[in-house]
Amino acid sequence: AQKITQTQPGMFVQEKEAVTLDCTYDTSDQSYGLFWYKQPSSGEMIFLIYQGSYDEQNATEGRYSLNFQKARKSANLVISASQLGDSAMYFCALTKPSGSARQLTFGSGTQLTVLP
Amino acid sequence: GAGVSQSPRYKVAKRGQDVALRCDPISGHVSLFWYQQALGQGPEFLTYFQNEAQLDKSGLPSDRFFAERPEGSVSTLKIQRTQQEDSAVYLCASSLGPGNYEQYFGPGTRLTVT
Repeated sequence: AQKITQTQPGMFVQEKEAVTLDCTYDTSDQSYGLFWYKQPSSGEMIFLIYQGSYDEQNATEGRYSLNFQKARKSANLVISASQLGDSAMYFCALTKPSGSARQLTFGSGTQLTVLP
Repeated sequence: GAGVSQSPRYKVAKRGQDVALRCDPISGHVSLFWYQQALGQGPEFLTYFQNEAQLDKSGLPSDRFFAERPEGSVSTLKIQRTQQEDSAVYLCASSLGPGNYEQYFGPGTRLTVT
């Protein structure tokens, strides 16, 4: 069975600072994919970043980077230079196998609030 | 628009009523997913279609839940004899195909059963 754990129900960060959102996962598969989604109050899930289990380099997308530590089974999201518009719920998700569109297993999310 | 659309955006049903939730995926997207998101929780997988074929329905919570995608595009999630525990946001997502990992989500339908 696959499982995602997000241990931070809520996080606060000052505008323009960096913040790390934690995610650990559990899977018996060798091949899998990890995702981060943003869900603002409007409700739509917005794809942020993807990391395949065989990718050797950490994924980056603009201000988002994924700190992938395979041995520790962690996939933390780093947001640099936080903006007020980053305030939202953030979900880490896991799928199998790597690169294939299959169901996502989501964590319980972290509510990020960016302070002015 | 070019994104995934869902209708209705909000639905209030009395306990015992049947409801039908519609999802219009992005044109040309082969894969379609339904998820259920309870308040304060992450989405949970319900079912997956590849074209018109329902390849995985392991997440459907009971036989009151039924999904179809008869022509491989629009999908409908039907809930019969709704119960209060069915109250949630129902999210639809689509992707180009099995080899494409990015899923594009619709805005969801918020179902409230009274």
